[in-house]
Amino acid sequence: SQTIHQWPATLVQPVGSPLSLECTVEGTSNPNLYWYRQAAGRGLQLLFYSVGIGQISSEVPQNLSASRPQDRQFILSSKKLLLSDSGFYLCAWNGADYGYTFGSGTRLTVV
Amino acid sequence: GEDVEQSLFLSVREGDSSVINCTYTDSSSTYLYWYKQEPGAGLQLLTYIFSNMDMKQDQRLTVLLNKKDKHLSLRIADTQTGDSAIYFCAESPGGYQKVTFGTGTKLQVIP
Repeated sequence: SQTIHQWPATLVQPVGSPLSLECTVEGTSNPNLYWYRQAAGRGLQLLFYSVGIGQISSEVPQNLSASRPQDRQFILSSKKLLLSDSGFYLCAWNGADYGYTFGSGTRLTVV
Repeated sequence: GEDVEQSLFLSVREGDSSVINCTYTDSSSTYLYWYKQEPGAGLQLLTYIFSNMDMKQDQRLTVLLNKKDKHLSLRIADTQTGDSAIYFCAESPGGYQKVTFGTGTKLQVIP
């Protein structure tokens, strides 16, 4: 069966520090992968999506970047975090006709 | 572009029925979804309905679709405190197309 792993679960980072969040999917190949941010427990903002290795589409210009070095690995990064980068980050993959399967999320607090 | 709208908040008493409403604009929507997000967790797919259906029932959950008005609703019978969460409506043309999410409705169940 397909599973999605996301880590770390929580992260507290100082302003100006780098960031790396990782998401991996098991049990499927060539998945469409997504990074979302959710502020204050409300709506989802699509940040990046990827349809294949090295293929990244950015939905919102910002302080973040994404990479897909392997078929089932999706990484969200920043060189220098801002206070406004705080939020709940969710990775998801598209399982064709049944919508998305989400990871358990990473709570990022920038201090 | 596609747009999915929901009311922000709903409060019900334990044992009553909850009805969460959603409207969407994309006439090519083939799949309509309801996701549940418990505090601090990722989104979990609750149920989905195809656009050629009017209703789908799954235990305490009933989904109604009015395709003419582009209106989707989720009814939870005998609402329990464990149903307290944010509920997201979402739509997709299907296949591996991107899913568009609503802003989420926070359901508060009062004991």
